Amino acid sequence: GQQVMQIPQYQHVQEGEDFTTYCNSSTTLSNIQWYKQRPGGHPVFLIQLVKSGEVKKQKRLTFQFGEAKKNSSLHITATQTTDVGTYFCAGSYAGNNRKLIWGLGTSLAVNP
Amino acid sequence: DGGITQSPKYLFRKEGQNVTLSCEQNLNHDAMYWYRQDPGQGLRLIYYSQIVNDFQKGDIAEGYSVSREKKESFPLTVTSAQKNPTAFYLCASSIKKDNNQPQHFGDGTRLSIL
Repeated sequence: GQQVMQIPQYQHVQEGEDFTTYCNSSTTLSNIQWYKQRPGGHPVFLIQLVKSGEVKKQKRLTFQFGEAKKNSSLHITATQTTDVGTYFCAGSYAGNNRKLIWGLGTSLAVNP
Repeated sequence: DGGITQSPKYLFRKEGQNVTLSCEQNLNHDAMYWYRQDPGQGLRLIYYSQIVNDFQKGDIAEGYSVSREKKESFPLTVTSAQKNPTAFYLCASSIKKDNNQPQHFGDGTRLSIL
């Protein structure tokens, strides 16, 4: 079936270091969304990528969608303690637009 | 202030008991979703509804039931048939039926077995 694989599962960094999480699909995605869930909180929408090779930035966060629309990444430059949480990607597929397929998330811990 | 309201925040269920989790939205969104999240896990879709009076099973619908009698409301019943109900339940909504729209989440309900 359709699956979105997300790696790594966990990442510990020192404050100021960079962080990247990756999502991969075996089949072409229509679009991919990224969410952040703070500990004890609920997922919050960050961004959506639709076009092949798309790159979007939000301050220290850079989101990329692969040329083949089968992979995506979220990169955080110079992490801060406020970046702590779990980052999820969620993709949708052509012909299955009724639901998102969620990755298992990457939990980020930042040591001050 | 628009948003999604889930209640209660914490819920305890006795053996053999059905419990209902409330989800209300005032965002005028067409689509609503129920997810289950277990510790350290991702989100698994239980049920979703694209329009009033219509809903579809997600990936783990067994032991759950829903209704969508009003656009604003999408309650989830955890029945006694769900043998492992302890989890964090999240309700979400999106403005349109298709998945090009971001999902907005409520604060969740934590359900535990007594």
